[in-house]
Amino acid sequence: NAGVTQTPKFRVLKTGQSMTLLCAQDMNHEYMYWYRQDPGMGLRLIHYSVGEGTTAKGEVPDGYNVSRLKKQNFLLGLESAAPSQTSVYFCASSPSIFTDTQYFGPGTRLTVL
Amino acid sequence: GENVEQHPSTLSVQEGDSAVIKCTYSDSASNYFPWYKQELGKRPQLIIDIRSNVGEKKDQRIAVTLNKTAKHFSLHITETQPEDSAVYFCAAGGTGFQKLVFGTGTRLL
Repeated sequence: NAGVTQTPKFRVLKTGQSMTLLCAQDMNHEYMYWYRQDPGMGLRLIHYSVGEGTTAKGEVPDGYNVSRLKKQNFLLGLESAAPSQTSVYFCASSPSIFTDTQYFGPGTRLTVL
Repeated sequence: GENVEQHPSTLSVQEGDSAVIKCTYSDSASNYFPWYKQELGKRPQLIIDIRSNVGEKKDQRIAVTLNKTAKHFSLHITETQPEDSAVYFCAAGGTGFQKLVFGTGTRLL
């Protein structure tokens, strides 16, 4: 099993450009999450999904959109990137509830110039 | 909502010494407290967790203690080794439908 994978690993955008980050998991997990990690601020939840076709806002959702059309995939979109969105983005999944172990992907380092 | 504070932000120890990282939380409904380890450039990985019906849990050289009255929990690492160098995150969550909130991390050197 590959576990949780993320595409791409690195990306540089110019302000105003758009992009989509892809997260895939092969563990048949119901819950999936997108976090951002900034120095000194830990992991902050952007959006999450409790099952195929569902999404919900987390702690810092502004400027991001998500979709979960298939159970194994969770997409994070930036419609108009801003320098404040420069961060490392981690996707995670858990079997059935928030308090299951969360399995993280390898991360995507995004720089917005 | 839940707020988790973690201290210290950086902790330097000599090889073989013990390390203690402390977290406090604000929501008395929280009852799940995991600890994640993140090595440089890698993904966070769960190392140990505790639920509110247990006061202490051990796994080889690591242990977690929980004081629900004071709303704080701690990670203890004994006989520290070079491979323990990493950033450690605590988190708190409630019932299964309450999201995890992470602390800001402790860099163990």
